[in-house]
Amino acid sequence: DAKTTQPPSMDCAEGRAANLPCNHSTISGNEYVYWYRQIHSQGPQYIIHGLKNNETNEMASLIITEDRKSSTLILPHATLRDTAVYYCIVRVPTKTSYDKVIFGPGTSLSVIP
Amino acid sequence: DTAVSQTPKYLVTQMGNDKSIKCEQNLGHDTMYWYKQDSKKFLKIMFSYNNKELIINETVPNRFSPKSPDKAHLNLHINSLELGDSAVYFCASSQETFQKQYFGPGTRLTVT
Repeated sequence: DAKTTQPPSMDCAEGRAANLPCNHSTISGNEYVYWYRQIHSQGPQYIIHGLKNNETNEMASLIITEDRKSSTLILPHATLRDTAVYYCIVRVPTKTSYDKVIFGPGTSLSVIP
Repeated sequence: DTAVSQTPKYLVTQMGNDKSIKCEQNLGHDTMYWYKQDSKKFLKIMFSYNNKELIINETVPNRFSPKSPDKAHLNLHINSLELGDSAVYFCASSQETFQKQYFGPGTRLTVT
């Protein structure tokens, strides 16, 4: 029951940009899109998040479409250390006053030398 | 300094035993979480505490009982361990509920 859909796997050549897509067609107007990654069974690591505008930090850029139904995470110069599972998540309302997040299967990104 | 730490890192035990996993965060966050990642690699929220108050309690067997003695600690106690409890358990914390979360390194539990 994840609210996001991502391709199960992608390859990217080392040094090239990795563009990871995510669909979140049922996103609500005040829900943020979050991206995390998990490198080989380590704890997930926060990458970036955004609401409407494109965002950039030292790790990646996040491009959100104008209708907010999809987004793309961009790793500008992928390295072998970027090989990981990338999760795109949004909040899911619950019956309580607190929302929660659901991690889907994510995209397994393989950076190839 | 480790932001979110868990002990132990590995835990091997037999069916029927009772075990605990400890989690501590030194980030001053108000919210802490327990996640379970099974062999299929799906990461599922189990519990969430905000200021020592339980706010999220997913459909988890009663054998699992979280305890938060203070804001910086969230421990997970598991009674009568079963084979299906084998998984990696991650603790996490964030300043606000389900905002930017910091995850611990995980505890790999193996029940034999």
